[in-house]
Amino acid sequence: EAGVAQSPRYKIIEKRQSVAFWCNPISGHATLYWYQQILGQGPKLLIQFQNNGVVDDSQLPKDRFSAERLKGVDSTLKIQPAKLEDSAVYLCASSPGLAAYNEQFFGPGTRLTVL
Amino acid sequence: AQTVTQSQPEMSVQEAETVTLSCTYDTSESDYYLFWYKQPPSRQMILVIRQEAYKQQNATENRFSVNFQKAAKSFSLKISDSQLGDAAMYFCAYRKIQGAQKLVFGQGTRLTINP
Repeated sequence: EAGVAQSPRYKIIEKRQSVAFWCNPISGHATLYWYQQILGQGPKLLIQFQNNGVVDDSQLPKDRFSAERLKGVDSTLKIQPAKLEDSAVYLCASSPGLAAYNEQFFGPGTRLTVL
Repeated sequence: AQTVTQSQPEMSVQEAETVTLSCTYDTSESDYYLFWYKQPPSRQMILVIRQEAYKQQNATENRFSVNFQKAAKSFSLKISDSQLGDAAMYFCAYRKIQGAQKLVFGQGTRLTINP
């Protein structure tokens, strides 16, 4: 079974530029998560989708971050414009459903460097 | 809000020895899940072990076991017969059963295995 796929693996941009990350969850997984992991810290949830609907985006900086999951499968996370403090690893995870006992499976992440 | 604290930024152990990683958490919930995740340099988070708060018996997975002290809100991970492949960042995480299912992570502990 294929795991969670993310691209690109690395991205370097100048501040004020825009960037987009892509995630393809495990086939059949209804729930998709985007986490931000700043160097030296644990991941922090940015947004959670159930199919193509948003369940939790309370920690998403909505003035610059946006995310979509139009067909309930792939998802894209966008930052526009980027700031220096956005430098982090962006992790995508998926799970079969919302129930708390469902394991979250993580992708390899995208490391973003903002110069 | 729930918080997870890992007070050991770094730990090291000799190969084949036993090491214990500490984690404390704060919550007003009575039912929840606790997890230990491993993050190797490849950045992909891997679930090591899971504990349901309503279960008194400590979870075990091969060489990995936990010491869950619900009243003390403590959740430590013991790794027996440490192997070179165990070297990684280890994150303790909490997840509510009711409501939002996001994982709340601690700051992580970097584990080094000395040959």
